[in-house]
Amino acid sequence: DQQVKQNSPSLSVQEGRISILNCDYTNSMFDYFLWYKKYPAEGPTFLISISSIKDKNEDGRFTVFLNKSAKHLSLHIVPSQPGDSAVYFCAASGNNAGNMLTFGGGTRLMVKP
Amino acid sequence: DAMVIQNPRYQVTQFGKPVTLSCSQTLNHNVMYWYQQKSSQAPKLLFHYYDKDFNNEADTPDNFQSRRPNTSFCFLDIRSPGLGDAAMYLCATSRGRGPGANVLTFGAGSRLTVL
Repeated sequence: DQQVKQNSPSLSVQEGRISILNCDYTNSMFDYFLWYKKYPAEGPTFLISISSIKDKNEDGRFTVFLNKSAKHLSLHIVPSQPGDSAVYFCAASGNNAGNMLTFGGGTRLMVKP
Repeated sequence: DAMVIQNPRYQVTQFGKPVTLSCSQTLNHNVMYWYQQKSSQAPKLLFHYYDKDFNNEADTPDNFQSRRPNTSFCFLDIRSPGLGDAAMYLCATSRGRGPGANVLTFGAGSRLTVL
């Protein structure tokens, strides 16, 4: 039973445009959400996070939006750059899971020059 | 630079031949994790250590064991690897408490091939 889902396995965007990566979750006890970026042959690196008490968190070109009623979060990258091409994982945690992270399956983003 | 280092990066073993993967960290984090990631799938938590306390996920096979001899090191032992155990194994660490407690820092991974 996948508690965190990323329904788009891949996304292709033109350089300079907006990239929107989506993530849905089913466990209403999740209260902290993170996005990780992974390049080939490297481990995932932390990108941005959001607590359930907020609906938006922004860090430079990256913004995460949280819609608790829809159990949906999204990552916006504006403007997209070729160096953003990577696999993006969303992850969620909640106190009932001992703060362990549950990951989605990832979305491969390709930013074309 | 403070980091998480995994060795070896690539491991080839024969069916049933034991394998040990290692992880070291210079972050002085309390928690160390082992994840298994198969191609195009989500990383799956195998177990974690909170300091010396070992926590096994309910569906982690007995074939997988772990040791944490000190704060800096953690090992993953696969006693009898099967073809289905071929995967990327990711080690991660976190503070475990306080600000950023849930933010994991990952190593580069160890890719296991089983022949």
